[in-house]
Amino acid sequence: DTGVSQDPRHKITKRGQNVTFRCDPISEHNRLYWYRQTLGQGPEFLTYFQNEAQLEKSRLLSDRFSAERPKGSFSTLEIQRTEQGDSAMYLCASSSLRLAGDSEQFFGPGTRLTVL
Amino acid sequence: SQQGEEDPQALSIQEGENATMNCSYKTSINNLQWYRQNSGRGLVHLILIRSNEREKHSGRLRVTLDTSKKSSSLLITASRAADTASYFCATDVGGSQGNLIFGKGTKLSVKP
Repeated sequence: DTGVSQDPRHKITKRGQNVTFRCDPISEHNRLYWYRQTLGQGPEFLTYFQNEAQLEKSRLLSDRFSAERPKGSFSTLEIQRTEQGDSAMYLCASSSLRLAGDSEQFFGPGTRLTVL
Repeated sequence: SQQGEEDPQALSIQEGENATMNCSYKTSINNLQWYRQNSGRGLVHLILIRSNEREKHSGRLRVTLDTSKKSSSLLITASRAADTASYFCATDVGGSQGNLIFGKGTKLSVKP
């Protein structure tokens, strides 16, 4: 399967703990995105990378959140000192920017985080 | 903040009927995309329509875009039980901003 993969699929943690999620994009895609989705809502943008450069971060991304894409391939999203409000589905997507300037995004299955 | 607003929030139809979902947005866009999400799963891209296009077809899907009204519609013809899912519109405002802005979605239920 050459789609976007995310690990783990589910994570249960206690408030105050740190968690790290991994995303492996489609190999030829140079753009990688992180979104957060809560129940009954659409995905909300967190941050995105073009190759290894983090080009944009949402205001939703507090200083407890950090994302990396060190070699322009896989990415990690770390949440420090988790809070119950961090409970959500964390979605990763990748795309390849076309000459036309538009690109569809391919999403992974998501990591569901539950903070107790 | 979320730009797109889908309407209706929920839609229940019988298999074989057509389903129409609408999306309104606020700012100028580069393109508008529709995605489907089965319960608790990732999103699947359905169709992309550029700002200079008015209508696009893909199989049983038909998408229209009216940039003057800042609205789009997704029509699914001859619906099947397997079409049961949440449908989201997402806008790409282009430029240096690479992310998509999603609406809250329409939850479609197709009864056999």
